[in-house]
Amino acid sequence: DGGITQSPKYLFRKEGQNVTLSCEQNLNHDAMYWYRQDPGQGLRLIYYSQIVNDFQKGDIAEGYSVSREKKESFPLTVTSAQKNPTAFYLCAGGQLGTQPQHFGDGTRLSIL
Amino acid sequence: DQQVKQNSPSLSVQEGRISILNCDYTNSMFDYFLWYKKYPAEGPTFLISISSIKDKNEDGRFTVFLNKSAKHLSLHIVPSQPGDSAVYFCAARSGVTGTASKLTFGTGTRLQVTL
Repeated sequence: DGGITQSPKYLFRKEGQNVTLSCEQNLNHDAMYWYRQDPGQGLRLIYYSQIVNDFQKGDIAEGYSVSREKKESFPLTVTSAQKNPTAFYLCAGGQLGTQPQHFGDGTRLSIL
Repeated sequence: DQQVKQNSPSLSVQEGRISILNCDYTNSMFDYFLWYKKYPAEGPTFLISISSIKDKNEDGRFTVFLNKSAKHLSLHIVPSQPGDSAVYFCAARSGVTGTASKLTFGTGTRLQVTL
């Protein structure tokens, strides 16, 4: 069953704590992306990666970090420096050209 | 600076009628446009796309129209079905870097198809 798998579906973070959101894909996509969605807003790009061991900042990268050690995996860490981390986080994968990005089902992060 | 705008946060349409969802953009460098459909607590699902060199693309009940001079695109769904009830996002691509393409999303329009 191919696709983008995000885990966990719900995540709770204490103040001052780092948390890592998982994103795995078996679609052989070269590029992977992390987006954040807030109520009433569109998706905003946090980070993206087009190849293993390479990634670039998106529009709202502050307070986040990523790694791309394997083609299949692109975890996102929400650090304590992110002052407003409560949001719905979406991971996507894609290929070059006009192929659309394919999304996982998201992780909802809340602050305790 | 909202480069992709969906000015209607919600739309209600009767089953069987046409749904028209609108999207405006400001960046003339956008070269490819997509529509995604999203149900609550799920990721967006790709629906249909159009290149900036075309003015229309059709796929079954879904048609996307692009008016470059007006920087406007629209998604037509006909006939509308109750299962079409979801949030629809317009997205625009601002170019390709290697294998990655950066998308800018609108804020979404919630479509409700009533019986």
